[in-house]
Amino acid sequence: DAKTTQPPSMDCAEGRAANLPCNHSTISGNEYVYWYRQIHSQGPQYIIHGLKNNETNEMASLIITEDRKSSTLILPHATLRDTAVYYCIVRVGTQGGSEKLVFGKGTKLTVNP
Amino acid sequence: DSGVTQTPKHLITATGQRVTLRCSPRSGDLSVYWYQQSLDQGLQFLIQYYNGEERAKGNILERFSAQQFPDLHSELNLSSLELGDSALYFCASSFATRWGISGGYTFGSGTRLTVV
Repeated sequence: DAKTTQPPSMDCAEGRAANLPCNHSTISGNEYVYWYRQIHSQGPQYIIHGLKNNETNEMASLIITEDRKSSTLILPHATLRDTAVYYCIVRVGTQGGSEKLVFGKGTKLTVNP
Repeated sequence: DSGVTQTPKHLITATGQRVTLRCSPRSGDLSVYWYQQSLDQGLQFLIQYYNGEERAKGNILERFSAQQFPDLHSELNLSSLELGDSALYFCASSFATRWGISGGYTFGSGTRLTVV
């Protein structure tokens, strides 16, 4: 299974961009990078995913390096409600087309007023 | 509301007992995944079902079992409960095809199980 490495915690000022890094140096060519976040003890929330091109949606942008060994999740204008644990996950496929997402410890992002 | 419904939200039971957690996936989603989240272990993948069939298994204990019914809802059965089974149990669903999923998972709000 491809593993990811994230800093355990980060701080960001409200209104500023939050840039959350993730290393996934053993990623395979057909594995996607997914980002989820978990606010307190709520269910994890899907943010964005990508294969090799940069992606953007209404929540965030995902920048994946050309060698695909690392990525950065960007929250362009962080708010207090973005305080959460952010998980970077490489999608693991198993035989028969089954899928499972393996969560690491994530990055605890604290947005300060 | 994510569209994934989990019941009950809270459950308190004694050691040695058996409980059943229920999950209704988002409409149109064929795959259901179960995760356990305890304080010291983070989110642990337990098991996946696709259209009624078991598709992937994680570190699920033999005391735990699951199934997915024809209407696609799923149940996670936990038996001979121990104090260490106290955790949040999340269900997620996705529109997974036989060849893989096309997007993200949608998680429910979880069932908090407390074993006393």
